[in-house]
Amino acid sequence: HITLKESGPTLVKPTQTLTLTCTFSGFSLRASGVGVGWIRQPPGKALEWLALISWDDDKSYSPSLNSRLTITKDTSKNQVVLTMTNMDPVDTGTYYCVHHSLGLGEFFDYWGRGTLVTVSS
Amino acid sequence: QSVLTQPPSVSAAPGQKVTVSCSGSTSDIGSNYVSWYQHLPGTAPKLLIYDNDKRPSGIPDRFSGSKSGTSATLGITGLQTGDEADYYCGTRDSSLSGGYVFGTGTKVTVL
Repeated sequence: HITLKESGPTLVKPTQTLTLTCTFSGFSLRASGVGVGWIRQPPGKALEWLALISWDDDKSYSPSLNSRLTITKDTSKNQVVLTMTNMDPVDTGTYYCVHHSLGLGEFFDYWGRGTLVTVSS
Repeated sequence: QSVLTQPPSVSAAPGQKVTVSCSGSTSDIGSNYVSWYQHLPGTAPKLLIYDNDKRPSGIPDRFSGSKSGTSATLGITGLQTGDEADYYCGTRDSSLSGGYVFGTGTKVTVL
């Protein structure tokens, strides 16, 4: 049974760095083909993919946010950490941790409940 | 980075059928497999369709997916009040910018 849970601050100030932790269970990030990613949704807007880290430590980032994002993993703790620098009010939204799978294509088959992050002074 | 285009809303009466379109380009839908997600208010999104037309275990066959060229379609038959939600398509972007892209989202309303 795969579960993912996001944790981190609910409120950050503009220009600060956001650090979110995803703690997961039911799978190992050592297993070939497995990945963990982050997706966010601003209030009233669409889903936006942010970053992905794979079992072999391959990392990819949203092109529009690449310079602000860093994703890392700690396989011993079953955790993935996302940092986003220089936070702005437009970064307010719900941040989801997701399990990434490969079939013929790729998809996100398990999602955390999400954590609401508000950026405000 | 590209964004996939969906109609803002579709609606139908209970028991009827709706389709949700997802339009992209040769570098995203045209080159990759599509997945669909259902987002009910206050819950986490759920995978409905992957690899264009496959359903994960537990997803009823009222939900179907297809792809043709640079477009994909989600179909929902036997519409139920519990299907009222936002629906998103998603796929890999194989352009130079890369990444994964989602659609603009479609609100399905059961009349």
